[in-house]
Amino acid sequence: GAGVSQSPSNKVTEKGKDVELRCDPISGHTALYWYRQSLGQGLEFLIYFQGNSAPDKSGLPSDRFSAERTGGSVSTLTIQRTQQEDSAVYLCASSPGLAGVRGYFGPGTRLTVL
Amino acid sequence: AQSVTQPDIHITVSEGASLELRCNYSYGATPYLFWYVQSPGQGLQLLLKYFSGDTLVQGIKGFEAEFKRSQSSFNLRKPSVHWSDAAEYFCAVGSGNTPLVFGKGTRLSVIA
Repeated sequence: GAGVSQSPSNKVTEKGKDVELRCDPISGHTALYWYRQSLGQGLEFLIYFQGNSAPDKSGLPSDRFSAERTGGSVSTLTIQRTQQEDSAVYLCASSPGLAGVRGYFGPGTRLTVL
Repeated sequence: AQSVTQPDIHITVSEGASLELRCNYSYGATPYLFWYVQSPGQGLQLLLKYFSGDTLVQGIKGFEAEFKRSQSSFNLRKPSVHWSDAAEYFCAVGSGNTPLVFGKGTRLSVIA
């Protein structure tokens, strides 16, 4: 596709369940970022993948959150034992890895934990 | 610590009036600065960015922003607002390919 895609667009789950959120970056983009946008808040960085380097996980809020990126392309963000405070919009972004080149955000996944 | 402050949570302007959205940042390295817009139910769209050089940058949709190093500011401006500009605006700072640090956003309402 032409842009970053994310699935599902909406996810409703029960507290304590695990969820997986998917991000398909733009083909050829080596950098991939996950952010979280909570109601009334800005975007909070979660995790960053750059090529084959070890990911920067410094933004993950707890060990219930994890992410992987397979084959340098698709990424999956997993949240285990979801809590109500995990409810947010999860945004994925990719970039070609050139310094400062940004701007390619996906539409987001709205997660609601009941 | 790296941070971005957008002092105005919500601004209302009349259609046709000028607009200025404020952004102040704190960043240790030479910053790259960005403004994004998010319309309801939409993803983030890049309006403009500053890396170096001319401190007045032009973006899409008639927006511009001015980098003022002495004030650590990167305010967004538009001379004449259109109703379609109603949205949430986010200022962000980063460097290289590092993850961006975002402000909490300013919601813009446009009235007739």
